[in-house]
Amino acid sequence: AAGVIQSPRHLIKEKRETATLKCYPIPRHDTVYWYQQGPGQDPQFLISFYEKMQSDKGSIPDRFSAQQFSDYHSELNMSSLELGDSALYFCASSSTVGGPGELFFGEGSRLTVL
Amino acid sequence: DQQVKQNSPSLSVQEGRISILNCDYTNSMFDYFLWYKKYPAEGPTFLISISSIKDKNEDGRFTVFLNKSAKHLSLHIVPSQPGDSAVYFCAASASGAGSYQLTFGKGTKLSVIP
Repeated sequence: AAGVIQSPRHLIKEKRETATLKCYPIPRHDTVYWYQQGPGQDPQFLISFYEKMQSDKGSIPDRFSAQQFSDYHSELNMSSLELGDSALYFCASSSTVGGPGELFFGEGSRLTVL
Repeated sequence: DQQVKQNSPSLSVQEGRISILNCDYTNSMFDYFLWYKKYPAEGPTFLISISSIKDKNEDGRFTVFLNKSAKHLSLHIVPSQPGDSAVYFCAASASGAGSYQLTFGKGTKLSVIP
């Protein structure tokens, strides 16, 4: 079965550069979520989209932005990168039909900021 | 302020014995709880969930218990197997939120010793 696809899997950037992460949700899932997991930390919710509209916002820095496109893929744009942005970035998708359910996570994109 | 707490960062159990992972939450709006399992370099994978209208849900070797009055849930794995060795995250969501985004605990690393 198709899973959540994230790209790139690994990314190395320098401070003050920009980075873009992509996420392709499971087909027919209506909601996409972005999470950030720092070293030794729990995944922290950044932002979510329901049917291409932002539905919820967590601890996403102002330097970051995200959007969901007409084909339901989502992109997380990170600008003015800082050392502390080094983390695993997970995208997840779910179908909210019928209420809450499990989120299906991608394998993550590891961002290293030097 | 950590709304979902997993106070044991690690747990070691002999193969064949029961593993009990605990989770406490503070937000009374949470009404759906999930356990995720995570291997290194992979995204979290869904294990089992429970709605607040239930106090127990069982799926094979995995059982989740919910004590709403104590705001406590636990995951029982019996019998434990070496392949169960992973980090287990407790997560919660609130139906009234803008999306069904999850709030995660910090995780408990389970080691099952052969």
